Amino acid sequence: QKEVEQNSGPLSVPEGAIASLNCTYSDRGSQSFFWYRQYSGKSPELIMSIYSNGDKEDGRFTAQLNKASQYVSLLIRDSQPSDSATYLCAVTFSSGNTPLVFGKGTRLSVIA
Amino acid sequence: NAGVTQTPKFRILKIGQSMTLQCAQDMNHNYMYWYRQDPGMGLKLIYYSVGAGITDKGEVPNGYNVSRSTTEDFPLRLELAAPSQTSVYFCASSYSGDNIREQYFGPGTRLTVT
Repeated sequence: QKEVEQNSGPLSVPEGAIASLNCTYSDRGSQSFFWYRQYSGKSPELIMSIYSNGDKEDGRFTAQLNKASQYVSLLIRDSQPSDSATYLCAVTFSSGNTPLVFGKGTRLSVIA
Repeated sequence: NAGVTQTPKFRILKIGQSMTLQCAQDMNHNYMYWYRQDPGMGLKLIYYSVGAGITDKGEVPNGYNVSRSTTEDFPLRLELAAPSQTSVYFCASSYSGDNIREQYFGPGTRLTVT
């Protein structure tokens, strides 16, 4: 069973704080990991991709991958009210040409 | 590049009617996907295609049909619309190389069946 698990939230953080979003996945052979941001009423937007263990930074966003623990996270530094959205974790599973499997998403609310 | 485009943006159907949701991409991606997203819920995969002439079922294919005659286009057909098909439909595309499969989404079609 291919599963990607996320806490649905809402996760509330004050403006300027670090928001930490977590995701676990079921397939130890997974190789590609993605974070999408989805504003209410809009389509998902790719914000980060990570393929190797460790950290990957892009502006205020840091993706962290730990394949041994089957865990990927997204840190948002200096959170802004404009970061309030649902964040979707997506994973490729190791079997053939299967599409990405998406988690149900974590709703983030940044309070001004 | 326009990326992934979808038409129409909104549509209201009566029960039993049929329609085709259009999706096109200009990124020369070989993979294309159709998802539905019900209010407050996650994405559910309806159908996907790994290239022209090749399609496969996703998690919730019943009530839908697809075809892929060109790399660029991937229309989704709803036959005999039902209220349970009220949802937002997203089309997406991706290149597939070395298992790197970043998906890019269209803006969505909001469908109501009454």
